[in-house]
Amino acid sequence: RKEVEQDPGPFNVPEGATVAFNCTYSNSASQSFFWYRQDCRKEPKLLMSVYSSGNEDGRFTAQLNRASQYISLLIRDSKLSDSATYLCVVIQGAQKLVFGQGTRLTINP
Amino acid sequence: DAMVIQNPRYQVTQFGKPVTLSCSQTLNHNVMYWYQQKSSQAPKLLFHYYDKDFNNEADTPDNFQSRRPNTSFCFLDIRSPGLGDAAMYLCATSRAGQGTNYGYTFGSGTRLTVV
Repeated sequence: RKEVEQDPGPFNVPEGATVAFNCTYSNSASQSFFWYRQDCRKEPKLLMSVYSSGNEDGRFTAQLNRASQYISLLIRDSKLSDSATYLCVVIQGAQKLVFGQGTRLTINP
Repeated sequence: DAMVIQNPRYQVTQFGKPVTLSCSQTLNHNVMYWYQQKSSQAPKLLFHYYDKDFNNEADTPDNFQSRRPNTSFCFLDIRSPGLGDAAMYLCATSRAGQGTNYGYTFGSGTRLTVV
């Protein structure tokens, strides 16, 4: 079983739609959780951290369910510029980032 | 601006010819990482340095080695590149103890092609 699992997609949604991604992780000792965004042939960039209480940053909302070992990302009012691969990331052990495979999102005009 | 710099952005090497990728940082972060990312796959940690301490992942092939001569620089050496080593190599840094975010910063990556 992969340490971090995501649906690879691709997700194709119209501009303005709401889209949600899910992620599960296998190690219950995982400490911190993030969503990263990666554009084609570029490095991953931090989108937001994920907290147990849930957190929101503009159109983006992240949720963590430790009991189910489940992380989600919701994007509202999607823009063309949101097209990218979204990587679920978990910190394990001594600050090791463990990445999910990523979910590819394409926003269509 | 403080950042993580990887050189070169694109590297072409011959099958079996040793190649070195470099990473430098101006963030004074004490942890440096090398990740390998193949097409449509997740970045995979090869190894990391916690200060001077080298930490190899169990499944990293012996063909891959690393050096960290000082805080600012870290090198990835591929002794005998094979066609399967073609990938994007990402360098990242973090600072131990810097809250829950650790200040992870990635370089722009080096895309390695093996011919």
